Amino acid sequence: DGGITQSPKYLFRKEGQNVTLSCEQNLNHDAMYWYRQDPGQGLRLIYYSQIVNDFQKGDIAEGYSVSREKKESFPLTVTSAQKNPTAFYLCASSNDIQGTQYFGPGTRLLVL
Amino acid sequence: GEDVEQSLFLSVREGDSSVINCTYTDSSSTYLYWYKQEPGAGLQLLTYIFSNMDMKQDQRLTVLLNKKDKHLSLRIADTQTGDSAIYFCALGGAEGTYKYIFGTGTRLKVLA
Repeated sequence: DGGITQSPKYLFRKEGQNVTLSCEQNLNHDAMYWYRQDPGQGLRLIYYSQIVNDFQKGDIAEGYSVSREKKESFPLTVTSAQKNPTAFYLCASSNDIQGTQYFGPGTRLLVL
Repeated sequence: GEDVEQSLFLSVREGDSSVINCTYTDSSSTYLYWYKQEPGAGLQLLTYIFSNMDMKQDQRLTVLLNKKDKHLSLRIADTQTGDSAIYFCALGGAEGTYKYIFGTGTRLKVLA
């Protein structure tokens, strides 16, 4: 089955801790994206990557970091600098940067 | 910047038609999308329309695009309880970029 997987489904972060959210796709897509979703709001772009070993900041990159060492994988780290990390995080991928985006099931991050 | 607006809630009776509306300010998008999000899940692509089309029909779904009024709508025929979800419109390639701009989402509730 082709698709996008995200893990874990729920993640708890303590004060001052960095946490990493996983996103993997087996669709052979070049482009991958991370979005943040808050209640009653649309999706906001955190980071995106057009190709392996390249990534760019989106609209709300502060307090987050990413890497793209493999085509299939685009992990997102929520650092301690992100003061309000509680949200639903969605990963997406597309054939190329102009293509239709397909989404993973999401990770809900909660702060203890 | 681009602004995409949707009404927050819509309630319909099972078997009726639902019409979800989306208005936008930037007309440079190449594709316009409709996504469905069920509780605690990622976004599922429902359908999309190319910017040079006025209408697209896909089984129970009809998308209408009025470029003059910058208005996009999604009509769901014979609405079922399983259609209860949040529906997002998204503009692809807005502002001449790769970016998707999402609406705030419309929560559709189907009453049995």
